[in-house]
This record gives sequence, C-alpha cells and structure tokens, in this order.
Amino acid sequence: GESVGLHLPTLSVQEGDNSIINCAYSNSASDYFIWYKQESGKGPQFIIDIRSNMDKRQGQRVTVLLNKTVKHLSLQIAATQPGDSAVYFCAESGATNKLIFGTGTLLAVQP
Amino acid sequence: GAGVSQSPSNKVTEKGKDVELRCDPISGHTALYWYRQSLGQGLEFLIYFQGNSAPDKSGLPSDRFSAERTGGSVSTLTIQRTQQEDSAVYLCASSLTSGDRETQYFGPGTRLLVL
Repeated sequence: GESVGLHLPTLSVQEGDNSIINCAYSNSASDYFIWYKQESGKGPQFIIDIRSNMDKRQGQRVTVLLNKTVKHLSLQIAATQPGDSAVYFCAESGATNKLIFGTGTLLAVQP
Repeated sequence: GAGVSQSPSNKVTEKGKDVELRCDPISGHTALYWYRQSLGQGLEFLIYFQGNSAPDKSGLPSDRFSAERTGGSVSTLTIQRTQQEDSAVYLCASSLTSGDRETQYFGPGTRLLVL
C-alpha cells in the first residue's frame, strides 16, 4: 500500500549547524510533496512544498530536495536555531488531494 | 488574517458518550479536511469536504464517525459512543480549493481523551 516513511526518528544537532531530515515514499504516482513542522501542542505548520517536475526548491533557510529515482525527499535547514526544534513531517499526494503523512522526525537543537 | 480554528482545544469524555468537534476554516477556503493524530504517530486522513459535499469519506474508521459542513464554512466531526481507542488529536485543515497540490493549512487540533 501507499506509505511515507522517515529514516531517522530523532535528530540532534548543535545550534548553528545545518540539519538534514530525510523521508522515503513508496507511491511513484505521488507528484506533490510537502514538509510540515509541528511544535508541541500545536497543529502542523506548512514549511515548503515541491512538485514532481522539480528536484530542488529553496525557501528562507530551508531547501527541499526530491529524488524521484530513489523516491527520496529531504529537508535541509541552514544554521539551525533552537526555534527549529519540533517534529517534522513529510507528506505526499497524488491523484487525490488527501495527504499521506509519515510518522515524523523529532529535531532537537542543542544550544 | 485568521487561521483555522478548532474547538474545544481539549475534551475529556467517558466511554460511550458522544462528542462533537468543531472546525472553522480560513475565510474563503472551499476545501476542508479532517485528520487524526494518535500519540507519537503521523496524521491519518479521515474525510474532506468541497463546499458542503464530502467526496471522500474513505478515512472514517467506523460508522460511529460522521462529519458535516454547513454554509461552506464550519464543519463538525461527531463521534458516537466513544471508545478509548478514539483518544487522539483531531486536526482540521483547509485549502483554497480542493485541487491537487493546494496547500493545506492546519488548525491547532482538539485533544480528545476517552476515559
């Protein structure tokens, strides 16, 4: 069946370092991918998205990379800050607009 | 402008009771989605609305779960005869349209605990 999974359930980084959060997806028909950030007690917050006709997209301090050959998605956060500490989810959608989420990666930023 | 709002923020109920969860989408958003997030898990799709219609109810776990949307705005998710396994965070999201690749914006969720 369809699934979106994360390789690293917990990632601990030092403040100022770059963070890379990875995600694998299994549905080759998916053509839209999103990263969400979820802080404790809050709903998911949209970070960045990418469509399947692209392999890289940049935002403010964040970059998403898409490798369709190996069905891999990553989120890079530059100069990680304590405020970046949260759970990060990747999600995918295809022919339908419902999102399929992975289980999340906890990013812990050490001061 | 205002984001997606949900109420109540927390709900504790006894097994067997019915509960209603409310979602107010972003003004002007025609599509509305309900998801469920169990402890330490990702989000699980329940149902989505385009206007007042629900083209996809495939994620509702049982016939104890139902949802409606009126006036193309507010939505209510109802869980009848609640069970302990219904305990979770129920999240609502809205998007401008229901087209694919539309960004979904989430509310803060309702934390449901069934004792």
